[in-house]
Amino acid sequence: QSVLTQPPSVSAAPGQKVSISCSGSSSNIANNFVSWYQQLPETAPRLLIYEDDQRPSGVPDRFSGSKSGTSATLDIAGLRTGDEADYFCGTWDSSLSAVVFGVGTKLTVL
Amino acid sequence: EVQLVESGGGLVQPGGSLKLSCAVSGFSFSLSAIHWVRQASGKGPEWVGRIRSKADMYATAYAASMIGRFTISRDDLTHTAYLQINSLKSEDTAVYYCLRPGVARITNSGVIEDWFDPWGQGTLVTVSS
Repeated sequence: QSVLTQPPSVSAAPGQKVSISCSGSSSNIANNFVSWYQQLPETAPRLLIYEDDQRPSGVPDRFSGSKSGTSATLDIAGLRTGDEADYFCGTWDSSLSAVVFGVGTKLTVL
Repeated sequence: EVQLVESGGGLVQPGGSLKLSCAVSGFSFSLSAIHWVRQASGKGPEWVGRIRSKADMYATAYAASMIGRFTISRDDLTHTAYLQINSLKSEDTAVYYCLRPGVARITNSGVIEDWFDPWGQGTLVTVSS
């Protein structure tokens, strides 16, 4: 049971854009930075976005992050079959004094 | 190249203990905090805790559910971090990752490290009789 809520799954066709939401509260998302991770099948997570909207070098600009209030969003444009993966959000929770992660959203590219 | 290589996982009986290792290369280990995160199969990651550098007195912090059975330590001479887990339970079954945090933020609540890059392959701990 995570303090961050993500939809279990999303899907879209190749070339389309999809948005994955991460909902939290004032003790986490609203007052701390959000990061996003991609986990391809049978691999370790990979950082996609940090500090709400920053991309590490090597991450395509098809991936973008945003935040408003107690929710954050990961947008993936120009979907490819290789984007099929689980996506997790993460942030600091000031009440728990802990890093917290979402339960993940499975992306299917139809 | 930054590398963190976990080892020491395996099959352990309930009630047993395990000490995981994290061998680090490619960055200044002695100046960096190290975090441990675990991920059960089909679940999201779960933060275990962290250890700060010598400059910060090797301060440790743990998730509330980890306090008591989990201990993080480090050896700056060998660039290795450790996670000791005692009284293992079936719910401890997971892949355990050691992680380098991103740039720390100084806030009114203290220093916060809340994103991690890169992630290694982790080490699988299976608790079963």
